[in-house]
Amino acid sequence: KAGVTQTPRYLIKTRGQQVTLSCSPISGHRSVSWYQQTPGQGLQFLFEYFSETQRNKGNFPGRFSGRQFSNSRSEMNVSTLELGDSALYLCASSLVRYNEQFFGPGTRLTVL
Amino acid sequence: DAKTTQPTSMDCAEGRAANLPCNHSTISGNEYVYWYRQIHSQGPQYIIHGLKNNETNEMASLIITEDRKSSTLILPHATLRDTAVYYCIVRPLGSGGSNYKLTFGKGTLLTVNP
Repeated sequence: KAGVTQTPRYLIKTRGQQVTLSCSPISGHRSVSWYQQTPGQGLQFLFEYFSETQRNKGNFPGRFSGRQFSNSRSEMNVSTLELGDSALYLCASSLVRYNEQFFGPGTRLTVL
Repeated sequence: DAKTTQPTSMDCAEGRAANLPCNHSTISGNEYVYWYRQIHSQGPQYIIHGLKNNETNEMASLIITEDRKSSTLILPHATLRDTAVYYCIVRPLGSGGSNYKLTFGKGTLLTVNP
């Protein structure tokens, strides 16, 4: 069974731009969570989606948004990029909510 | 969620067993012990989880003490590719609290040496 896939793997943007990251969960998994990971802050929770509905949201500004489609694929969007948004963005899927989460390889975003 | 304590770093010789300890003295009865690892700049990888019985899968074994206050992750024959940061976390299965998200501590940097 294929794992979680994320595209693109690497991205370089400039301040003020916006970006969309994509995540395809493991086949059959219905819950998708997004995390931001930086050396200073570690792993921080962004959102959780299940059945196309955002179930939980972390402590991030409104510039960070996401959605989930009927096939469980998910996207997250960051608008008006700031230098501090440079990070590894991770998507994790689980069969149902609260089960073990399986991570994708991440998207490395660099904001210049 | 219960806090965990892990050594900052450990070394292991290639081909030998790597035993990674984790203390979780405040674990509750409904909390599971999970292990993940993260190889540099890659996404975390789920390894194994357990409640109170010892567990084994194709990657590792998990030994949980009878009082559940500590556990050990065992990689039976460590290879260079097992060099990674290993995270021990405890979380309940099922809804409640902030169980919808994973929270990693500092973890243990395991270095497998040739």
